[in-house]
Amino acid sequence: QQQVKQSPQSLIVQKGGIPIINCAYENTAFDYFPWYQQFPGKGPALLIAIRPDVSEKKEGRFTISFNKSAKQFSLHIMDSQPGDSATYFCAASPLWTADKLIFGTGTRLQVFP
Amino acid sequence: EADIYQTPRYLVIGTGKKITLECSQTMGHDKMYWYQQDPGMELHLIHYSYGVNSTEKGDLSSESTVSRIRTEHFPLTLESARPSHTSQYLCASSSDRYHYGYTFGSGTRLTVV
Repeated sequence: QQQVKQSPQSLIVQKGGIPIINCAYENTAFDYFPWYQQFPGKGPALLIAIRPDVSEKKEGRFTISFNKSAKQFSLHIMDSQPGDSATYFCAASPLWTADKLIFGTGTRLQVFP
Repeated sequence: EADIYQTPRYLVIGTGKKITLECSQTMGHDKMYWYQQDPGMELHLIHYSYGVNSTEKGDLSSESTVSRIRTEHFPLTLESARPSHTSQYLCASSSDRYHYGYTFGSGTRLTVV
């Protein structure tokens, strides 16, 4: 049973575009939602994370939007660059138990010059 | 600079051989994880540990085994490698008390011929 559903599977944008990756979850006990970025040949690296007490979090060109009632969250990349080309994973877990993360299936993003 | 180290980075080995993939972290994290990553990107949890002498099987059935004799060390062993074991193996760790997310190693790309 997929507890975190991620879409789209792949995404192609031009430089400067704003790719959006969406995730939906089912378990209402989840209250920690990180995003990971993975470049070829590397392990995933934590990009940005949000808790449900805020609806939006920005770090540089990366923004997470969170909709608690819809149980959805999304990653926006402003002014995307070719260097942003990577695979992005959303994830979720309960915060205080520090329990194991449930990952989405990943989105392969390509940003063309 | 990565605080979690996996060796080897690449391994090509014949069918039937015994192999051990090494994972070490210097952050003092109690929790460690092994993921298998398909070419199709998905991350499948195969083993995890919440501390010394504690190991559990993950969501994806695996013929591999793990051990946790020291906090910093979480090796994965395949007693008899098969071509179906060909994959990327990622090790990760996380803090026990508060969820700061996972730190991943760079992975071991295993090919069984």
